[in-house]
Amino acid sequence: DAKTTQPTSMDCAEGRAANLPCNHSTISGNEYVYWYRQIHSQGPQYIIHGLKNNETNEMASLIITEDRKSSTLILPHATLRDTAVYYCIVRVANDMRFGAGTRLTVKP
Amino acid sequence: EAGVAQSPRYKIIEKRQSVAFWCNPISGHATLYWYQQILGQGPKLLIQFQNNGVVDDSQLPKDRFSAERLKGVDSTLKIQPAKLEDSAVYLCASSSQTSGTPWTQYFGPGTRLLVL
Repeated sequence: DAKTTQPTSMDCAEGRAANLPCNHSTISGNEYVYWYRQIHSQGPQYIIHGLKNNETNEMASLIITEDRKSSTLILPHATLRDTAVYYCIVRVANDMRFGAGTRLTVKP
Repeated sequence: EAGVAQSPRYKIIEKRQSVAFWCNPISGHATLYWYQQILGQGPKLLIQFQNNGVVDDSQLPKDRFSAERLKGVDSTLKIQPAKLEDSAVYLCASSSQTSGTPWTQYFGPGTRLLVL
């Protein structure tokens, strides 16, 4: 069973930042927050992960609250190709459970 | 670096027939996973291999599903006999504990199965 809660869907204007929230209020101290996305007809793609600190890579930024009960994935300049389902997952080692995710639609 | 390869990409069968899917993980990845993704849902883990041994198959319907990874590299997932509710995308993923981002799973494109 997924340990996260995400909005079912979100829209974002092209070129603007997309902020995708995730609640994980039961997260344990050794569990990481992972984000994947799945573009239509493709397998899930790894985006970013973190434990306590905020993280940034070439794809996105991950902001984790101090109590670790929620996080936000930020796509700084969304493009039409970022339209996908975004999954927030809490995991330790190889135990990764997907929920239904957030369907992000980037509009022109 | 080549990604996870899967074949076939699409398969249509009739119920009660058998079907097999093949996966070739990223080179050097010791851990291999099979997931089932039903339309509108997130992927669900069916089985996890570490080299050629099974680590977790608690969600694999063992009366009809089987999987093997004989030489610790390629893997096959079989369904026999198939039911209508097996219609789904079957995803293969692999991960390494020692290189790149440990435990990060990399997914193949999936095999889309339709059971009629």
